[in-house]
Amino acid sequence: EPEVTQTPSHQVTQMGQEVILRCVPISNHLYFYWYRQILGQKVEFLVSFYNNEISEKSEIFDDQFSVERPDGSNFTLKIRSTKLEDSAMYFCASRTDANEKLFFGSGTQLSVL
Amino acid sequence: GESVGLHLPTLSVQEGDNSIINCAYSNSASDYFIWYKQESGKGPQFIIDIRSNMDKRQGQRVTVLLNKTVKHLSLQIAATQPGDSAVYFCAERTSGTYKYIFGTGTRLKVLA
Repeated sequence: EPEVTQTPSHQVTQMGQEVILRCVPISNHLYFYWYRQILGQKVEFLVSFYNNEISEKSEIFDDQFSVERPDGSNFTLKIRSTKLEDSAMYFCASRTDANEKLFFGSGTQLSVL
Repeated sequence: GESVGLHLPTLSVQEGDNSIINCAYSNSASDYFIWYKQESGKGPQFIIDIRSNMDKRQGQRVTVLLNKTVKHLSLQIAATQPGDSAVYFCAERTSGTYKYIFGTGTRLKVLA
């Protein structure tokens, strides 16, 4: 069964450093998402991406965050200057145009020290 | 803002019993809903979905009920098994928007 894949599974970085989290959405999907989950809390929407542009974003997704689809298969989330409070599990998700079912990857655990 | 260390409601059921997990959603304009299962250290796993033009939808061992009048969604799991132990989230989406908003989650513990 096709699945959303994310790399790396764990990322440790120093505060102020840039990180790039990578995702390969399901191949025929057209809508791409990033969510995050701080330990023990609920899953929070960050951004959605469709037709090569951001379609919607949350207040969390400030100027320190950016997304990119550099080629036909990858979808990335960049955090320019990480803060301690960026430590969380980051999930990528995707869906098709016709079907609203949203499928998630297994996440990247980001630890900012 | 959210409190640190949000305490999840927990439902404990005996193996073989039926489980009912509830969710109150916030937006009366939401028209699509998904139930997700999340095991420790993993991403949310799709279980079942329902559109607002339906009241009930059944899957394998799971049933989702939607009450739009009181903005309430429930997930029923028949013959609960140890492998059902996880955190369950409902998510809602409003037509015309892209984002799916997650609820706070319920931890299901299956007792042997």
